[in-house]
Amino acid sequence: NAGVTQTPKFQVLKTGQSMTLQCAQDMNHEYMSWYRQDPGMGLRLIHYSVGAGITDQGEVPNGYNVSRSTTEDFPLRLLSAAPSQTSVYFCASSYSGGPGYEQYFGPGTRLTVT
Amino acid sequence: GENVEQHPSTLSVQEGDSAVIKCTYSDSASNYFPWYKQELGKRPQLIIDIRSNVGEKKDQRIAVTLNKTAKHFSLHITETQPEDSAVYFCAATSGGSYIPTFGRGTSLIVHP
Repeated sequence: NAGVTQTPKFQVLKTGQSMTLQCAQDMNHEYMSWYRQDPGMGLRLIHYSVGAGITDQGEVPNGYNVSRSTTEDFPLRLLSAAPSQTSVYFCASSYSGGPGYEQYFGPGTRLTVT
Repeated sequence: GENVEQHPSTLSVQEGDSAVIKCTYSDSASNYFPWYKQELGKRPQLIIDIRSNVGEKKDQRIAVTLNKTAKHFSLHITETQPEDSAVYFCAATSGGSYIPTFGRGTSLIVHP
């Protein structure tokens, strides 16, 4: 199993550009999430999904869109990039059997917006 | 929603000393408390977890304690080694949410 994969690993955008961060998992996990990590701020939840076709907002959803058309994929779209979106983005997945299950993180995408 | 506070933000110890990281949570319905370790440039990975029906759990040099009454849980690392240097995150998960809320992290530095 590849686990959780993310592409790209690094990305530089200009203000106003849009892009999609890709996330895929091969563990048949129902739950998937996107976090951003900024120094001193921990892991903040952007959006999450409890299954194909179902998504919901997390703590910091503004400026981001998600969709979940398959169990495996959960892309994150930046609509119009801003310098405040410079961050490291992690995708995660977990088993849906209950709350007491490990989050499996992807390797992260380091995004810089100039 | 859930709110998780984590202290300290930075912890510096000498090799062989013990390290303790403390977290508090706000939602009394939370029932799963994992701890993640993130080495520099890497992804967070689960190192230990505890469920609400257990007060303490140990795994070699690490242990976690939970006080449900006080809504408080802690990570204890004994005989620290330089390879323990990393950022540690606590988290709390409510039965109704299934998505964990993370603390802000503790940067542990172990000096040889």
